[in-house]
Amino acid sequence: GQNIDQPTEMTATEGAIVQINCTYQTSGFNGLFWYQQHAGEAPTFLSYNVLDGLEEKGRFSSFLSRSKGYSYLLLKELQMKDSASYLCAVRDGDYKLSFGAGTTVTVRA
Amino acid sequence: IAGITQAPTSQILAAGRRMTLRCTQDMRHNAMYWYRQDLGLGLRLIHYSNTAGTTGKGEVPDGYSVSRANTDDFPLTLASAVPSQTSVYFCASSDSTNNEQFFGPGTRLTVL
Repeated sequence: GQNIDQPTEMTATEGAIVQINCTYQTSGFNGLFWYQQHAGEAPTFLSYNVLDGLEEKGRFSSFLSRSKGYSYLLLKELQMKDSASYLCAVRDGDYKLSFGAGTTVTVRA
Repeated sequence: IAGITQAPTSQILAAGRRMTLRCTQDMRHNAMYWYRQDLGLGLRLIHYSNTAGTTGKGEVPDGYSVSRANTDDFPLTLASAVPSQTSVYFCASSDSTNNEQFFGPGTRLTVL
C-alpha cells in the first residue's frame, strides 16, 4: 500500500508565501503530482516532478527529493483565489496514482 | 462537449438499488479512472482502464464494476448500493499512464 502524508490545514496572509509539505512511502515511484481543488469542484493539475529538484511554474513551485520521500509545493504572492485544497499524489510502480488527504489553504486579507 | 463529463451531477439512491454513473471524454485519452472522495481520506482509486477493452481494480473496488467498450466511455456500476458508498465520485482520464490526469466535475451520490 501507499502512505502519503500532508498537513490538514494551513492559513496565510494575502501576498505571503506558503509551503505545503508532502512525505510518502510507496511501492515503486514514477513521479509526484500536485493538484489544486476548489471547494465543490474537480481537482486540476498544478505540477509534476519525477527527478530531484525544483520545478517552477509562475507563482507555484514544486520540489522533490526521492531519497527522502519528500516533496513540497510553494505558493508565492498568495492571492485570495489560492484558497483551496492542495493534493499530493504519487504514481507507483504500476503507474497508478495514490493521493494524500489534501491540505486546505486559507488565504486571509 | 469538450473534456470530460459525468452524469448525473448528484443522486439520492435507496439502499439495494442498482446505479450506473456515466463518464465520457472526447480527448481520445487511452486511460480512464474512477475515484471516490471522502472527507479526511482524499481520493481513492476504485477501478481503472489503461485502454479500451481492459480494466483493473484499484484500492477500493468492492461493490463496484466497470466496463470499457470504447475509448470515450467508462461507466461505473453499483450493483446493490449501500450507505457506505455515499461519496463524491470523480472520473478522470489521461492520454497515457505516464501523463497527468484530467478530472470530470464529479457526481455526488447519497445512499439512504
